Amino acid sequence: QSVLTQPPSVSGAPGQRVTISCTGSSSNIGAGYDVHWYQQLPGTAPKLLIHGNSNRPSGVPDRFSGSKSGTSASLAITGLQAEDEADYYCQSYDSSLSGWVFGGGTKLTVL
Amino acid sequence: EVQVVESGGGLVQPGGSLRLSCAASGFTFSSYEMNWVRQAPGKGLQWVSYIGFSGSSRHYADSVKGRFTISRDNAKNSLHLQMNSLRAEDTAVYYCAREHHLVPGALDYWGQGTLVTVSS
Repeated sequence: QSVLTQPPSVSGAPGQRVTISCTGSSSNIGAGYDVHWYQQLPGTAPKLLIHGNSNRPSGVPDRFSGSKSGTSASLAITGLQAEDEADYYCQSYDSSLSGWVFGGGTKLTVL
Repeated sequence: EVQVVESGGGLVQPGGSLRLSCAASGFTFSSYEMNWVRQAPGKGLQWVSYIGFSGSSRHYADSVKGRFTISRDNAKNSLHLQMNSLRAEDTAVYYCAREHHLVPGALDYWGQGTLVTVSS
């Protein structure tokens, strides 16, 4: 049971828009801690996709965007492409656990 | 080019010990906080441990506290994870990850991982 809750899977057709939610609580996202998002392609290490809730590192396409509100955060992917098929994880800090916590991960399938 | 390369994984019996290492290059190692993150086979990511710039600040996940010790050698640009009293549930790929210099917790560079298997 992860501290941050993500849907196990989402899917969309090429060109469509999908969103992945990340629900936390008052000890993590709701306490104001930043949310970061990672993309993990099959068989590879995770890659930082969004940091500080909504900021894209250099090289990340603007098709990827992040937002945060209250105790939740969301990752949106527009103009879906086949190469977006991957696992996506959210991450934040939890004051009760005194450490970083990850969501359980969401598998994105491009139909 | 920024690189972090893990080593030291392998097969170990329950109750045994293993020391993981992470060799860093392409950046000023002493200016970055570092973390270990693990991923059990077919499972999600789990944060394991954090170490500050000088090594004086260290934090651990509850699941490894008292059994794992993180350390760093800034002169040798290396990060380590000493794992003792290993359990079957510690079986995972262990990633070394650099923390973004401006954004706490954002892990901007990851190694390829090293597999630790705890089994008799």
